[in-house]
Amino acid sequence: DAKTTQPPSMDCAEGRAANLPCNHSTISGNEYVYWYRQIHSQGPQYIIHGLKNNETNEMASLIITEDRKSSTLILPHATLRDTAVYYCIVRPANTGNQFYFGTGTSLTVIP
Amino acid sequence: KAGVTQTPRYLIKTRGQQVTLSCSPISGHRSVSWYQQTPGQGLQFLFEYFSETQRNKGNFPGRFSGRQFSNSRSEMNVSTLELGDSALYLCASSLGGGGPDTQYFGPGTRLTVL
Repeated sequence: DAKTTQPPSMDCAEGRAANLPCNHSTISGNEYVYWYRQIHSQGPQYIIHGLKNNETNEMASLIITEDRKSSTLILPHATLRDTAVYYCIVRPANTGNQFYFGTGTSLTVIP
Repeated sequence: KAGVTQTPRYLIKTRGQQVTLSCSPISGHRSVSWYQQTPGQGLQFLFEYFSETQRNKGNFPGRFSGRQFSNSRSEMNVSTLELGDSALYLCASSLGGGGPDTQYFGPGTRLTVL
């Protein structure tokens, strides 16, 4: 059961930062926030995950609010290849491997 | 490291037939999960296998089954195919241990049931 709320679609100009919000107001203390993206008809691609601290890797940054009820995925310099559906998922660390994907945000990067 | 591979990539079957899909996980990964993706229902969890045992199961009928071999490779079987089984079937692998366990997805098998 998806526990996250994301806007259905967003646009971003190429070269600008893309900020994708996610609301997870019922998140529990042991639940991680994961982000994946899916380019049309391909398998979802792992982007980043975090528990309470902000995280950064070569693809993106994840900003989690102090109360952990929302987060933002930041793609610092969006390119056309970043056009995809982005999924925000909350998942406990100590349960079986089932990710509940919601409907995600369809990001379109505009030239 | 090679990523998750799935075979075949495309498959066409007719109603009533059965189908077997294969997934080879990333080397060293012991957990394999299967998902079904359709336009109407989105990505839905089917089941997970870890060390040759089904560890978790989603809400799908018994026509959907799977298994995992000692080398962690996994197969998924769908019997008595229905038109509604047309979907992208995705496999994901992970280490399977405790703590946050990131899943890495394969490219999927596109099944069309006629």
